[in-house]
Amino acid sequence: DGGITQSPKYLFRKEGQNVTLSCEQNLNHDAMYWYRQDPGQGLRLIYYSQIVNDFQKGDIAEGYSVSREKKESFPLTVTSAQKNPTAFYLCASSIDHGTGNEKLFFGSGTQLSVL
Amino acid sequence: AQTVTQSQPEMSVQEAETVTLSCTYDTSESDYYLFWYKQPPSRQMILVIRQEAYKQQNATENRFSVNFQKAAKSFSLKISDSQLGDAAMYFCAYGGGSEKLVFGKGTKLTVNP
Repeated sequence: DGGITQSPKYLFRKEGQNVTLSCEQNLNHDAMYWYRQDPGQGLRLIYYSQIVNDFQKGDIAEGYSVSREKKESFPLTVTSAQKNPTAFYLCASSIDHGTGNEKLFFGSGTQLSVL
Repeated sequence: AQTVTQSQPEMSVQEAETVTLSCTYDTSESDYYLFWYKQPPSRQMILVIRQEAYKQQNATENRFSVNFQKAAKSFSLKISDSQLGDAAMYFCAYGGGSEKLVFGKGTKLTVNP
């Protein structure tokens, strides 16, 4: 079945540690996104990528980094510079981007907590 | 900048009854799209319905329909014959000429048996 796979489901980070969240899609979508969700908040965009080897910062990119070496994969690294990383992270993909018609397909998310 | 406002943090409905969730948005664009996404307890976001601004006809998907008032910049979601499985967070989202979707803060819907 086509879809988006996020792993791990739960992740714990120690002080000063970088951690990487995995996101893989087999939908053949060009665009991929990372969102952060905090309790009582909507989704806030961290980074997005429209094509391999290219990505743009979203609203809250500080303390995060991404790569897009393959069309299927868009990993997110939460660096030690992100002082409040505890949140639920959602990866999404869409066929196109920038048209305003993005129908997003979401993964099941990763809950990141600080030890 | 585009903003999306959901004024009802929580709503409740009796099973089999109808409930309407509100959403307003701010934009200077004339052509755009509006979405309702559902986030059940599993936390995976699912698209419920999509509306194209240039279409006057309100979108409908089975028990879900919207009331799109372009002049008022209002986009409410009506759920008819509510079922226990409809209990979830519902997010309104706007997609326009900007480069990203903008989401509201969500409405938590409880369905009472």
